[in-house]
Amino acid sequence: NAGVTQTPKFRVLKTGQSMTLLCAQDMNHEYMYWYRQDPGMGLRLIHYSVGEGTTAKGEVPDGYNVSRLKKQNFLLGLESAAPSQTSVYFCASSYRRISGANVLTFGAGSRLTVL
Amino acid sequence: GENVEQHPSTLSVQEGDSAVIKCTYSDSASNYFPWYKQELGKRPQLIIDIRSNVGEKKDQRIAVTLNKTAKHFSLHITETQPEDSAVYFCAASTPGGGADGLTFGKGTHLIIQP
Repeated sequence: NAGVTQTPKFRVLKTGQSMTLLCAQDMNHEYMYWYRQDPGMGLRLIHYSVGEGTTAKGEVPDGYNVSRLKKQNFLLGLESAAPSQTSVYFCASSYRRISGANVLTFGAGSRLTVL
Repeated sequence: GENVEQHPSTLSVQEGDSAVIKCTYSDSASNYFPWYKQELGKRPQLIIDIRSNVGEKKDQRIAVTLNKTAKHFSLHITETQPEDSAVYFCAASTPGGGADGLTFGKGTHLIIQP
C-alpha cells in the first residue's frame, strides 16, 4: 500500500515549457486534489476532482489544467510555465468518514523550479 | 468562501514548555477542524481533528479546543519535545466535508529550543 505517489519529485523548467505532474493513489479514494505550497502562503488549492472524469477549479487555477481519466490518477499540467509557478506541489486524496469529515492523505510533494 | 487566519507565524518555546497555536475562521457553517503537521521536507500529516459538536479533544500531549461562538480553535502541545519542531497548519471545512477539500491557515513554524 503506497498511499499517494507523485512523480517527478523535482523538475526544472524554462519559461514557456510545458510539463505534467502525475499523482497516483491506491486507496480507492473518490476525491483528489492538487495544492501548491509557497513560503508564508500555506497550502492553496489549485484544482480538485470528486470522481473519475470530473474536475473543478480551486482557489488558484490559472495557468494549470488537470485530468482524471482513471480513478486512481490525477494529472496536473502546465501548458506554458512561468516563474510564478515555481513552488512545491502536493497532491492529496481523501475519503469521507461516516461523520462527514474529509480526511486528506498527501503525497511527498514535487518541487518545480521555472527559470 | 471560508477564510482561516492562523497565529503566530513563528513560535519558539523551550523544550518541556507548552505551545499554543490559534486559528480563527469566518464561515459559521464550518463544522470540521483538522490540524496537520509538516516536518521539514516532508508531507503534511493529520495529527488531530475536532468536529463542531465537541469543545475539546485530547490525544496524549496534544489537544484541540473549539469556541464556536467566537469562531476560533486552538492547538495545545504540552511537554514539548524536539520532534515537535515542524510547521503546523489548521484548516476548516464546511458541512458535508466540501468536495473542494479544506481551507488551510498559512501555517505556524514551531521551533523547540533545547
